[in-house]
Amino acid sequence: AQRVTQPEKLLSVFKGAPVELKCNYSYSGSPELFWYVQYSRQRLQLLLRHISRESIKGFTADLNKGETSFHLKKPFAQEEDSAMYYCALKGRPSNTGKLIFGQGTTLQVKP
Amino acid sequence: EPEVTQTPSHQVTQMGQEVILHCVPISNHLYFYWYRQILGQKVEFLVSFYNNEISEKSEIFDDQFSVERPDGSNFTLKIRSTKLEDSAMYFCASSAQGETQYFGPGTRLLVL
Repeated sequence: AQRVTQPEKLLSVFKGAPVELKCNYSYSGSPELFWYVQYSRQRLQLLLRHISRESIKGFTADLNKGETSFHLKKPFAQEEDSAMYYCALKGRPSNTGKLIFGQGTTLQVKP
Repeated sequence: EPEVTQTPSHQVTQMGQEVILHCVPISNHLYFYWYRQILGQKVEFLVSFYNNEISEKSEIFDDQFSVERPDGSNFTLKIRSTKLEDSAMYFCASSAQGETQYFGPGTRLLVL
């Protein structure tokens, strides 16, 4: 089965604290994973893809195939990071590109 | 920077009525998608479209749903006879090569 699990509905941290948004997946083969962010009243935006291995807005995510995880991390949270974060997996057949989303985690960064 | 656009932003309809949701994908993109998100639930894939035909559809995308690319720019989702459970946010997305998908702002559909 192809599935994405984000166990936390809400994560609340203080500004400057480290953040880790959890994502676990179920997929046989080599997965292609993404993090999307949705700021208040805005569209879903790509935050990062695991294959590009880049850091966007200070966020990074490492694919851990052993733990089937793709957790999103940032060492020091900012108030403007408050948003809904979705982990997504490119499902099979991969040539159609359909995305399978997790439930999403609301990140709340308090001043 | 080019963006996917969707109209209308909100649509209220009566159960049993037909609705058409409109999307204008990014102009040089070749892959098009519809997703929906029922309030409080996850974003779910409905259908993908490439080369003027459906490439994949989910179990949700039954005979009540259809998609069309009537001209070179629009990509529409039609629901023939809406049900209460069709109330959701509908997102259109497009992709150049099937990798990164760019999402529209969504249409909020309310079926009464």
